[in-house]
Amino acid sequence: GAVVSQHPSWVICKSGTSVKIECRSLDFQATTMFWYRQFPKQSLMLMATSNEGSKATYEQGVEKDKFLINHASLTLSTLTVTSAHPEDSSFYICSASLRRKYEQYFGPGTRLTVT
Amino acid sequence: AQSVTQLDSHVSVSEGTPVLLRCNYSSSYSPSLFWYVQHPNKGLQLLLKYTSAATLVKGINGFEAEFKKSETSFHLTKPSAHMSDAAEYFCVVSDRRNTGNQFYFGTGTSLTVIP
Repeated sequence: GAVVSQHPSWVICKSGTSVKIECRSLDFQATTMFWYRQFPKQSLMLMATSNEGSKATYEQGVEKDKFLINHASLTLSTLTVTSAHPEDSSFYICSASLRRKYEQYFGPGTRLTVT
Repeated sequence: AQSVTQLDSHVSVSEGTPVLLRCNYSSSYSPSLFWYVQHPNKGLQLLLKYTSAATLVKGINGFEAEFKKSETSFHLTKPSAHMSDAAEYFCVVSDRRNTGNQFYFGTGTSLTVIP
């Protein structure tokens, strides 16, 4: 149980284009979803927290107009990287949690390369 | 405030010898503590978790960790390293009072297993 999927698993896009990453909880309803970014050889950095039906809460230093997060249902959250640049190339990981469950369930990650 | 310190950024062991990955935490309330493993270009896999039950926690693949409140530590151990254990390991703390379920990640420990 508690499986989280991400799609796509890897994507290459050209500079200036936008790319959408989906995060789905497959067998549970996630009240909260989290988006992380991970640079090579580094730890995960929390980008934003989103609750179903509400606006996402972004961490300091994360541009909300560049990284658009939508959490339209209890099983789906999307991260759209708008006007991507090479410096946005990274590994993006989502996770999902249930209310009053002190655990997050992680997706397998999406490797984004911007050329 | 919550934080996690992983005392070693790199650990090397010989195959068949014990593994010790150190983690100290800071939490203003009763913490939940987790260890995750990440293989290259993969997502996070939960090894084990402590959520206020037994202080000695057994996880997958022969790993275990002991919660020591007096030392604010949650070190990860394994009696005998296997080549497949080579990976990045993250210690994570979550404050169970924090209804947002936010995770605080350590900086990670890279484990090398020498044949």
